[in-house]
Amino acid sequence: DADVTQTPRNRITKTGKRIMLECSQTKGHDRMYWYRQDPGLGLRLIYYSFDVKDINKGEISDGYSVSRQAQAKFSLSLESAIPNQTALYFCATSDRDGTSSYEQYFGPGTRLTVT
Amino acid sequence: RKEVEQDPGPFNVPEGATVAFNCTYSNSASQSFFWYRQDCRKEPKLLMSVYSSGNEDGRFTAQLNRASQYISLLIRDSKLSDSATYLCVVSTGTASKLTFGTGTRLQVTL
Repeated sequence: DADVTQTPRNRITKTGKRIMLECSQTKGHDRMYWYRQDPGLGLRLIYYSFDVKDINKGEISDGYSVSRQAQAKFSLSLESAIPNQTALYFCATSDRDGTSSYEQYFGPGTRLTVT
Repeated sequence: RKEVEQDPGPFNVPEGATVAFNCTYSNSASQSFFWYRQDCRKEPKLLMSVYSSGNEDGRFTAQLNRASQYISLLIRDSKLSDSATYLCVVSTGTASKLTFGTGTRLQVTL
């Protein structure tokens, strides 16, 4: 089984709809992240969480919110989806301490299309 | 200026060739450096960390030049399976916060 899973894998939604993307991990990591990837722009950090009580905005948090329901679960919400939120969304995790804390493990991604 | 810049490619090389990718970063306070690999429509995965003294992992060699704020990745004896996008990644400040370059695409052909 995959260590980091994302649901759904693909989603098409309409402008103005609320949508939630979910991420679960079995790696036992404290740190979790949400990124979006757009052609020519690379991966950009939306939100990150270093433990259950810690939520931080990333580079492009406007229009998004997150919830860290448990150590293993981190969900991303689009309150009112707009077409320029069409992108590939990745969840990632990392360990807390030492040099291994820099390696991030990514989920398979969610391809979101907003029409 | 982007924090991490890479030549997007694509680099088209024959099997067995040696190919080098370069990356520059803008923040002189950057502390840790990595190369990630991303296959088409898949998630990024860590290829190797980059150390000041340079480091090698099989056919892959990474170099860091802090004075020039420049990172490189050399792939020797390219294989078809090396075809992917290579992401230059930098960490500045808070541990675990990574900044990704847009990636360099490599296509290895017969």
